[in-house]
Amino acid sequence: GNSVTQMEGPVTLSEEAFLTINCTYTATGYPSLFWYVQYPGEGLQLLLKATKADDKGSNKGFEATYRKETTSFHLEKGSVQVSDSAVYFCALSVQTGANNLFFGTGTRLTVIP
Amino acid sequence: NAGVTQTPKFQVLKTGQSMTLQCAQDMNHNSMYWYRQDPGMGLRLIYYSASEGTTDKGEVPNGYNVSRLNKREFSLRLESAAPSQTSVYFCASSVGRANYGYTFGSGTRLTVV
Repeated sequence: GNSVTQMEGPVTLSEEAFLTINCTYTATGYPSLFWYVQYPGEGLQLLLKATKADDKGSNKGFEATYRKETTSFHLEKGSVQVSDSAVYFCALSVQTGANNLFFGTGTRLTVIP
Repeated sequence: NAGVTQTPKFQVLKTGQSMTLQCAQDMNHNSMYWYRQDPGMGLRLIYYSASEGTTDKGEVPNGYNVSRLNKREFSLRLESAAPSQTSVYFCASSVGRANYGYTFGSGTRLTVV
């Protein structure tokens, strides 16, 4: 089947610390992989994506590399800011009739000054 | 360009009452989705519509019905609300291709007392 396993939180970091949020997946076929971010009181926003093996998605200083050999898509940022405090969701999509997205449970990140 | 618009933003219902959550998108997307978000469980798919005129059950359809009114609008109905349906509901849309991801609305926070 299709599923995403995400690092459990919450994660608390000091400003300028290095961030890694782990994400592994199982999928039928060749999935596209995504990271979404949810700021307090808002809906989910696409942060970055990768659509084939070895692709690196990047946005706002965040990066994630699609690793087919380890079925992983870990999110990293070299220096977090207080404004990065949010819930981060890893997700995968497989091309079925409706392009369904399968989400991980989310990881809450809090960055303290 | 509004994207995905959900109404209402907040709602309190008594057990047994009915209501309809509205969702509209202005991006000419083919597919639309309803998710619920509960603490520690991530997002779970309730129903989806791959294209105008079609709807299908997701992971947690019991207690809900949907209508794809036209290409823009996809509504979610609770016929007899139960406390277990207290949740945050998100509507999303996509072009229908796996590598494009979704655009989400800002959510409806529903409390059933």
